Amino acid sequence: DVKVTQSSRYLVKRTGEKVFLECVQDMDHENMFWYRQDPGLGLRLIYFSYDVKMKEKGDIPEGYSVSREKKERFSLILESASTNQTSMYLCASNFYSGSHAETQYFGPGTRLLVL
Amino acid sequence: KNQVEQSPQSLIILEGKNCTLQCNYTVSPFSNLRWYKQDTGRGPVSLTIMTFSENTKSNGRYTATLDADTKQSSLHITASQLSDSASYICVVRNAGGTSYGKLTFGQGTILTVHP
Repeated sequence: DVKVTQSSRYLVKRTGEKVFLECVQDMDHENMFWYRQDPGLGLRLIYFSYDVKMKEKGDIPEGYSVSREKKERFSLILESASTNQTSMYLCASNFYSGSHAETQYFGPGTRLLVL
Repeated sequence: KNQVEQSPQSLIILEGKNCTLQCNYTVSPFSNLRWYKQDTGRGPVSLTIMTFSENTKSNGRYTATLDADTKQSSLHITASQLSDSASYICVVRNAGGTSYGKLTFGQGTILTVHP
């Protein structure tokens, strides 16, 4: 069974704090993704990585950065948290394939509240 | 602009009844369409994936249809169970461009099944 784990289920932070969200997958997947999910908006891609030390911006990268030092671990960093970053954050991973048909496997999510 | 629209936003049905969820998209060029189920407090889990040449695919009590000409998909749930209560998300992959094949997510339909 594919397992994607996220370091925290719930986080409460103050405006201006630096926030680290960690994601680990155990299936040797090349691709890893960070999304945020807000009511009425669906999932939106923040960043993704297709290999160690590689990263690409998604649709809404502003205010975020990422780090992928090891294949199994992908970290999302909020350099200076703001209230509009209060959201559910979902990590996902999958194998790379030319058909782009590989299922993305999601973690359970981290619900972040920025006060 | 690539968009995925789902309807209804929410739906309440009685246990044992059938229901159909709709997904309309404008994504082009089209690669595939996937339905995910997301239980409360969990990450999405893939139910079905359909490519251009497929117009029906089943997974147990879930049957997805695709009309690539009208750019519409539906997810039909037969003999609903309490455990079907969840958010159902339609996701369309773009065939062109990037190394990962861009995904566009619908906002989801929240299904509640009452006993």
